[in-house]
Amino acid sequence: DTGVSQDPRHKITKRGQNVTFRCDPISEHNRLYWYRQTLGQGPEFLTYFQNEAQLEKSRLLSDRFSAERPKGSFSTLEIQRTEQGDSAMYLCASARTSGATDTQYFGPGTRLTVL
Amino acid sequence: EDQVTQSPEALRLQEGESSSLNCSYTVSGLRGLFWYRQDPGKGPEFLFTLYSAGEEKEKERLKATLTKKESFLHITAPKPEDSATYLCAVQYSSGGSYIPTFGRGTSLIVHP
Repeated sequence: DTGVSQDPRHKITKRGQNVTFRCDPISEHNRLYWYRQTLGQGPEFLTYFQNEAQLEKSRLLSDRFSAERPKGSFSTLEIQRTEQGDSAMYLCASARTSGATDTQYFGPGTRLTVL
Repeated sequence: EDQVTQSPEALRLQEGESSSLNCSYTVSGLRGLFWYRQDPGKGPEFLFTLYSAGEEKEKERLKATLTKKESFLHITAPKPEDSATYLCAVQYSSGGSYIPTFGRGTSLIVHP
C-alpha cells in the first residue's frame, strides 16, 4: 500500500499527559499537512511542511502543539499537557506540488481521547 | 462568516433516487475546489478537483460541476454503499498559501 499511513490509529490518554502521533506520507509527495477534525465539522488546518520546512501554522494552534518533519520524510505531531478539548481525530495529508494547486491525500487518522 | 457552506447538512435517499449536494463559496481567486468522501472513523478519500467555472468531472455514479460561486455533486441512481459524508474544500489565492478551507460536509444516507 503506497497511501498515507498514521500511527497509532487510536490513543486514549489522561489529561496532562503528552502524546505523539506519526504520519508517513506518500513517498514522492513533498508537502505534508496536519488537521484536526471534531464530530460534525470539516477538517481544521493545524500546520504544514514543504519538505522539512514548516511553512505555516494556524493562529489557533496552541503552543502545546508542536510538529516536526526531519529529513522531509515522516512527520510527528506532539501535544503536551493534553486537555479534554484536545479530543478529536487528527488527520495527516500529503500532496505533491503541482502548479497553483495541490491535491491532498489523507491518511486514516488518529483518534485521540483525553480522559 | 463561513467561506465554504455545504447544503443540505444531511440527506436521506432511497436507492436509485438521484439528487445533488451543494457547496457554495465566498472566496475570491479560486485556485481549486475539491470533493472528498469520508466514511465514519476514517480519513477523507479524494474524489475530484475542479479548477475553473464550467468544468465537470465524473466517476461512476458521481458527477461534480463548478460555477463561479458554487459546486454541485450530482449522485445518479445511488446505492447504499454511497452512504458517507461528502466534504467540499476550496483553495484560493492568499499570499501563496495552499491551505484549503473545508465545509462541514453533507451526510448522505442511501436506504435500500
